[in-house]
Amino acid sequence: EAGVVQSPRYKIIEKKQPVAFWCNPISGHNTLYWYLQNLGQGPELLIRYENEEAVDDSQLPKDRFSAERLKGVDSTLKIQPAELGDSAVYLCASSITGFPDTQYFGPGTRLTVL
Amino acid sequence: AQSVTQLDSQVPVFEEAPVELRCNYSSSVSVYLFWYVQYPNQGLQLLLKYLSGSTLVKGINGFEAEFNKSQTSFHLRKPSVHISDTAEYFCAVSWGDYKLSFGAGTTVTVRA
Repeated sequence: EAGVVQSPRYKIIEKKQPVAFWCNPISGHNTLYWYLQNLGQGPELLIRYENEEAVDDSQLPKDRFSAERLKGVDSTLKIQPAELGDSAVYLCASSITGFPDTQYFGPGTRLTVL
Repeated sequence: AQSVTQLDSQVPVFEEAPVELRCNYSSSVSVYLFWYVQYPNQGLQLLLKYLSGSTLVKGINGFEAEFNKSQTSFHLRKPSVHISDTAEYFCAVSWGDYKLSFGAGTTVTVRA
């Protein structure tokens, strides 16, 4: 069974440019999470989806970040415009249903903002 | 505020030696506890979790952890490590809801 797929794996952009990350969760997983992982730290939740509904986006900086999950499957996380401080790894995870089901993580997208 | 503390940022260990990774959290009210491992260039993988029941939890790859409510700890142990256990290990806690709060991670380096 394929795991959580994320693309791109690496992205280098200049500040003020837009960037988008894509996530394909494990088939049949209704819950999808986006996390931010800064260097030397653990992941921090940005947003959680139940099917296509964003049920918790309280930690998402809405002035520059946006996310969508069309048809309750794939999801895209966007930053516009990117800032130097956005350099981090963006992780996507999915679970069959919500907590406490095991979350399965993708390999992440490493973003570098110059 | 709730917090998760991994007491060791780096743990070097020789192959076939035992290892213990320490994790403490700020409150023992209705906690769910997890250990994840992250191999280089891979996503996090669940090693084990405690939701209820026996305080000694066994996970994959020979790892186990013990929930100690009085000490608000959930330390991870393995009696004999292999080179392949070189990775970063994250303790995560949920205080009764779906949100996982992660520690900063412990880098384990296994040497021959």
